Amino acid sequence: NAGVMQNPRHLVRRRGQEARLRCSPMKGHSHVYWYRQLPEEGLKFMVYLQKENIIDESGMPKERFSAEFPKEGPSILRIQQVVRGDSAAYFCASSPDSNGYTFGSGTRLTVV
Amino acid sequence: KQEVTQIPAALSVPEGENLVLNCSFTDSAIYNLQWFRQDPGKGLTSLLLIQSSQREQTSGRLNASLDKSSGRSTLYIAASQPGDSATYLCAVTTGANSKLTFGKGITLSVRP
Repeated sequence: NAGVMQNPRHLVRRRGQEARLRCSPMKGHSHVYWYRQLPEEGLKFMVYLQKENIIDESGMPKERFSAEFPKEGPSILRIQQVVRGDSAAYFCASSPDSNGYTFGSGTRLTVV
Repeated sequence: KQEVTQIPAALSVPEGENLVLNCSFTDSAIYNLQWFRQDPGKGLTSLLLIQSSQREQTSGRLNASLDKSSGRSTLYIAASQPGDSATYLCAVTTGANSKLTFGKGITLSVRP
């Protein structure tokens, strides 16, 4: 069991470009969560997805951010027209149910 | 709105010392509480998960307790080692499949 796989580990984008972050949950896990960790701040919830459904997106910025978890393939967090303030570590977690979450190693996004 | 507080933000102790890390939360109606460890530039590693009906969980030198009514949890680390140096995060959920709400973490340094 390979655990929660996130790629890329590091991503550099220029202002105005798009960033696509991928997350493959653990085998058998149907719940996927995205969190963002800004420098000097704690981890903040962004979105909770199950296959083909967004369950809770209360933590997602209203503009430029979107997430999906298609029937086949990894979950994708997409950030359009990135700005410097989007620079952060983005973590994905998966769970088979609500009993315990397994986190990936994160994608560190740097916007230059 | 659930808020999780971890004080102090940083702690430095000599090797061999037993120590307690504190976590408090404002809404006692939690579903479960999880302690994580984060090494610099890395992802989160789950240490202990306590269900709301439980009072404590143990794993090796780690013991986590939960007092739901007072909104507190403690992580006890016995015989600390330099390898325990990391940031320790406390997080709660308030329902099945719901998001984790994190504290900002306690950065522990164990001096040889």
